[in-house]
Amino acid sequence: EVQLVESGGDLVQPGGSLRLSCAASGLTVSSNYMSWVRQAPGKGLEWVSLIYSGGRTNYADSVRGRFTISRDTSKNTLHLQMNSLRADDTAVYYCARVLYGNWFDHWGHGTLVTVSS
Amino acid sequence: DIVMTQSPDSLAVSLGERATLNCKSSQSVLHSSNNKPYLAWYQQKPGQPPKLLIYWASIRESGVPDRFSGSGSGTDFTLTVSSLQAEDEAVYYCQQYHTPPLTFGGGTKVEIK
Repeated sequence: EVQLVESGGDLVQPGGSLRLSCAASGLTVSSNYMSWVRQAPGKGLEWVSLIYSGGRTNYADSVRGRFTISRDTSKNTLHLQMNSLRADDTAVYYCARVLYGNWFDHWGHGTLVTVSS
Repeated sequence: DIVMTQSPDSLAVSLGERATLNCKSSQSVLHSSNNKPYLAWYQQKPGQPPKLLIYWASIRESGVPDRFSGSGSGTDFTLTVSSLQAEDEAVYYCQQYHTPPLTFGGGTKVEIK
């Protein structure tokens, strides 16, 4: 059974940094396409970033240059390093596996990031 | 970016009745290489992550009840719940994966009347 468990969400001041983690079981992070999707409170879903099995990465324009997606093969974990955080980055951040054409078939339960002074 | 527009924003349907949800893309999500529609549907209940229901516009994910069906091509798509059950109360999102960035519709909230 695939399980994705996010952690690292917290209250952070504008301009601050945070690193999210997604521990995977039942799948190998490095052999899959993996992604981060976020959801602001009471709002819809927004794709944030994707890392392909070959290591290539892609980002939404809203986070490019501030966020970095990576993976730790030894720990089978996905990360999202978030710098220069803004109030509009406040959201639940979900880790998800991406399949074939780029739909999301397994999701974690999310971790809340709140950017506020 | 491809903009996904869902309608209605919300609808109330009686138990056992049909629910029809619409999703329109700002440009075709039919890929010329394989003639497949690059469109997925998700269900999200309060406090839970989204759950994949349908991909390629009409293929049900394993374990999804057959009362859920998807149709459409090009720019116009429909998710139908043929006989609404209490557990189907949720927000439903469409997502295109034809062209990066991956984009979602704003969601349709389905409530029991």
